[in-house]
Amino acid sequence: DAGVIQSPRHEVTEMGQEVTLRCKPISGHNSLFWYRQTMMRGLELLIYFNNNVPIDDSGMPEDRFSAKMPNASFSTLKIQPSEPRDSAVYFCASSPDRLYEQYFGPGTRLTVT
Amino acid sequence: AQTVTQSQPEMSVQEAETVTLSCTYDTSENNYYLFWYKQPPSRQMILVIRQEAYKQQNATENRFSVNFQKAAKSFSLKISDSQLGDTAMYFCAFWGAGGTSYGKLTFGQGTILTVHP
Repeated sequence: DAGVIQSPRHEVTEMGQEVTLRCKPISGHNSLFWYRQTMMRGLELLIYFNNNVPIDDSGMPEDRFSAKMPNASFSTLKIQPSEPRDSAVYFCASSPDRLYEQYFGPGTRLTVT
Repeated sequence: AQTVTQSQPEMSVQEAETVTLSCTYDTSENNYYLFWYKQPPSRQMILVIRQEAYKQQNATENRFSVNFQKAAKSFSLKISDSQLGDTAMYFCAFWGAGGTSYGKLTFGQGTILTVHP
């Protein structure tokens, strides 16, 4: 079975540019999570969806960040405009009905110069 | 809010030996789950083991086992017969079944484990 798929795996962009990260959850999972990992802050939850509806976005750092889940098989995390402090690894995870069983994608390493 | 603390930034062990990674947590909830995740250099997050708080029996998955002390809010991971492929960052994580933590995994800072040949 395919796991969580994220694209791109690596992204390098210049400050001020728009960045879009993509995620395809495991088929049949109805919850999707976006995490950010940095050396300073470790792993932190940004937002999560249940049945395509955002449930908790309290971790989204500021208005420059937005996330959407237009259908059960696709989600995006957008940063506009990007800043150097957004450089991090961004993980997407999905889970079946039991929210605690989360399966992670390989992550996207974002570098903003 | 829940907190998860891993007090060992780095650990090392010889191949085939046993190592224990420590984790403590703080919560006022009674129903929750605890996890250990492994993150090798590939950076993929891999679930190693899960413990339900209502279960007294410690979870075991092959060479991996936990020592869950609910009253002490301690959740350590023991790796037996360490293998080179166990070299990774290990994260302890908490998931609360209610309250403000519902749906969220809270991670510790991580412990870098190096297995030496």
